[in-house]
Amino acid sequence: QKEVEQDPGPLSVPEGAIVSLNCTYSNSAFQYFMWYRQYSRKGPELLMYTYSSGNKEDGRFTAQVDKSSKYISLFIRDSQPSDSATYLCAMTLMIKAAGNKLTFGGGTRVLVKP
Amino acid sequence: NAGVTQTPKFQVLKTGQSMTLQCAQDMNHEYMSWYRQDPGMGLRLIHYSVGAGITDQGEVPNGYNVSRSTTEDFPLRLLSAAPSQTSVYFCASSYSTNSGDTQYFGPGTRLTVL
Repeated sequence: QKEVEQDPGPLSVPEGAIVSLNCTYSNSAFQYFMWYRQYSRKGPELLMYTYSSGNKEDGRFTAQVDKSSKYISLFIRDSQPSDSATYLCAMTLMIKAAGNKLTFGGGTRVLVKP
Repeated sequence: NAGVTQTPKFQVLKTGQSMTLQCAQDMNHEYMSWYRQDPGMGLRLIHYSVGAGITDQGEVPNGYNVSRSTTEDFPLRLLSAAPSQTSVYFCASSYSTNSGDTQYFGPGTRLTVL
């Protein structure tokens, strides 16, 4: 079983809809949670970053972390065709010896149709 | 700043050949790492470095070597290429080695081993 599970999709939505993405994880020691966006044939770029449980909002994007359920979510409001990409969740441990090693989910491909 | 750069963009090797994937960053980042990305697997950590002269293994290190003689450069060497090493390789860096520090990814190298 993978440490971080993510539905591969594809997730197809009409323009303007809310996109809902999520990941589950098994290691309760994960403390930092990130969402990366990856366009086709490009490197991942950081989209959102949260520490421990709670919500964080940045423009059209909202990230949620529920540590008790080991579940994280990303919501994209008013989705645009330019949001079409693969979204990867990632997380790190709060242990100095672990450094800054990222553990990724498999990624969800999202397609926003005009 | 050029950010994180990787060369080559594409490479085709025959089984048994060796090669070096280059990675450089001009942001004076302390932490550098190599990931491979395979369909449905997300990104998996190969090797990482917490500073010049210091490297360590990640999740999937077999068949790869690294060195870090300068802060800027972190090359990845394939000793004897195998078809299982066909993948997209990403280099990443962060300012510090602290867990959760933002990592910046390069554009990737697409490697095919025949």
